Amino acid sequence: GAVVSQHPSRVICKSGTSVKIECRSLDFQATTMFWYRQFPKQSLMLMATSNEGSKATYEQGVEKDKFLINHASLTLSTLTVTSAHPEDSSFYICSAPRGNYGYTFGSGTRLTVV
Amino acid sequence: GENVEQHPSTLSVQEGDSAVIKCTYSDSASNYFPWYKQELGKRPQLIIDIRSNVGEKKDQRIAVTLNKTAKHFSLHITETQPEDSAVYFCAAVEYNFNKFYFGSGTKLNVKP
Repeated sequence: GAVVSQHPSRVICKSGTSVKIECRSLDFQATTMFWYRQFPKQSLMLMATSNEGSKATYEQGVEKDKFLINHASLTLSTLTVTSAHPEDSSFYICSAPRGNYGYTFGSGTRLTVV
Repeated sequence: GENVEQHPSTLSVQEGDSAVIKCTYSDSASNYFPWYKQELGKRPQLIIDIRSNVGEKKDQRIAVTLNKTAKHFSLHITETQPEDSAVYFCAAVEYNFNKFYFGSGTKLNVKP
């Protein structure tokens, strides 16, 4: 149980376009969702924390106008990469806490901007 | 904020040998320390975790030790198998705030 479904798993987009990534909690309510970015051969870096019904909190150095986060319901959080550029190419992954049961990660989205 | 350092960055062992990965952290408020195994292009999978009120935890071939005073924790894998080959990440978390700080990762290669 406690699955976070993340879509799409892979996306290739043209430079200047926007891409939306969805994370959906399937069998629990995720009041909080964490969004991470992972460049090749590097660690996971926290980008932002989304909370249902309120504005997301962004980590230092992450542009909130570029990485739009919406947490519209207790089961859905979205990350939109606006005006994507090749340097935004990365592995994006979400994670939700599950109270005393730890945290569960989405399956990740490989974004390639050409 | 928290600073997590992980060593080594790469580790190559022979099948059947043991592997040890070490992490240090800086924030004494961190109280939850999970270890994740990540295969290429896939989500991190939790393999073991430890809370700050425990010094050691074991699950079959995997064990984690925590030294709160020294602020370091280690992952021990015994009788390694080729399928253990992956990248392993440690993390330090202050549970109430849910913020993960990941180590830089260790690429483990188990040679058959």
